[in-house]
Amino acid sequence: DAGVTQSPTHLIKTRGQHVTLRCSPISGHKSVSWYQQVLGQGPQFIFQYYEKEERGRGNFPDRFSARQFPNYSSELNVNALLLGDSALYLCASSLSPNAQRTEAFFGQGTRLTVV
Amino acid sequence: RKEVEQDPGPFNVPEGATVAFNCTYSNSASQSFFWYRQDCRKEPKLLMSVYSSGNEDGRFTAQLNRASQYISLLIRDSKLSDSATYLCVVLNQGGKLIFGQGTELSVKP
Repeated sequence: DAGVTQSPTHLIKTRGQHVTLRCSPISGHKSVSWYQQVLGQGPQFIFQYYEKEERGRGNFPDRFSARQFPNYSSELNVNALLLGDSALYLCASSLSPNAQRTEAFFGQGTRLTVV
Repeated sequence: RKEVEQDPGPFNVPEGATVAFNCTYSNSASQSFFWYRQDCRKEPKLLMSVYSSGNEDGRFTAQLNRASQYISLLIRDSKLSDSATYLCVVLNQGGKLIFGQGTELSVKP
């Protein structure tokens, strides 16, 4: 069975550019969450989507946006990239948005470097 | 103050040692608690959930003290393969997973 897949695995962008990161959840999982992990820190919550609707948003600027498609895959978009956006971006999928009752599985992440 | 705070690392221990990680959380309404393991440059993976009654999984024991808002993880008989970063994670009322900074463990031969 395929786990959570993210693409691309690595990306280098220049300040001011925009980037789109993609995530395919585990088959049957309807909830997708996005996290940003900068070096030396734990992952920070960015967005959660369930059944194509935004269920939660972390403390990130409006440059960050996301969406979920009918097949439950998801995209994270970041506009006007800053050097500080360099991080590992993780996608997690779960059966439902309630992590209390269902384990969240993470993809291998997209490592974004902004130069 | 961070919502979830962990012991600063790194912890360097010999094989066979017992090591304990501590974690505190600030939101008393937090619902669920977990320990995740993250290997270098890899994704986090669930190690175990943490229950008020305490729970054990082989060499790993997790404890939760809701009154003190304190979570712990004990690893007995450390193996080289236990070397990783251990993340304390709390589920808040909004259903978001809140991660601590992580504590790096290095087990040496």
